[in-house]
Amino acid sequence: QSALTQPASVSGSPGQSITISCTGTSSDVGNYNLVSWYQQHPDKAPKLMIYEDNKRPSGVSNRFSGSKSGNTASLTISGLQAEDEADYYCCSYSASSTYWLFGGGTTLTVL
Amino acid sequence: QVLLQESGPGLVKPSETLSLTCTVSGGSISSYYWSWIRQPPGKGLQWIGYMYYSGNTKYNPSLKSRVSISAEMSKNQFSLKLNSVTAADTAVYYCARLQIALGGFDYWGQGALVTVSS
Repeated sequence: QSALTQPASVSGSPGQSITISCTGTSSDVGNYNLVSWYQQHPDKAPKLMIYEDNKRPSGVSNRFSGSKSGNTASLTISGLQAEDEADYYCCSYSASSTYWLFGGGTTLTVL
Repeated sequence: QVLLQESGPGLVKPSETLSLTCTVSGGSISSYYWSWIRQPPGKGLQWIGYMYYSGNTKYNPSLKSRVSISAEMSKNQFSLKLNSVTAADTAVYYCARLQIALGGFDYWGQGALVTVSS
C-alpha cells in the first residue's frame, strides 16, 4: 500500500499563507471524511491539527484549516509564523486492508 | 489531560522480539482505540495497528504476520510485540489514542527509540 502523496517541502515568509496537498485515491481520501493532519517539530511527537477533513481540535489556532476536493486533501496555514516551521503529515482511513495511511510528510520552512 | 508513556528496551538483537508498553494516565483504556505508530530515523510515519479493550485488533498488513497488540487492563497499559526484527525495524515507536469515528490520533506518547543491532 503506497503512502499518500505530499510535496517534500514548501516554504513561505512570515505573514503569508501556504497550502500543503495530500493526494490519495477513491479508496481512502476520496471516499471518507477521515483525513487528519499532524504537525511535528524536531524530536517531538506529532500533534493533531485537523481531523474529519476540516475540523480543528480545541486549542489549535484558527490559522490552520483543512479542505478536500476529490482525492486530494489540503492543509492551509495563514499568517505564517516562525513557530509553524515543522514537518506536516496527512493521514486517511483506507478501505483497503491498510486501514490508516500516512502521507510521506512535508517540511515547511518559514523564510 | 490524557498522558501516554512508552517504555521498553532501547536495543534489540536481530531475529529477536521487540516489546514495548504504553502506560496511560488521566483516562481509562477501557474505551477508545489505542494504537502504535512508528517512524524510522529521518523518515515518515507508519501505522502499525490498534486495539480496542474488548480484544478487537487490526494490524498493518505489511507487519501483520509479526505483530501483536494487547492490553493489561488492571495496569491501564497496552503493549506491542514485534517478532523476528531486522535493522529495518529500527524506529521511534509512538503509542497514541485513536478517535476512530473522527479519524484522528489525538493523544501521543513522547516516543521510544528502538534500535535493532547485534
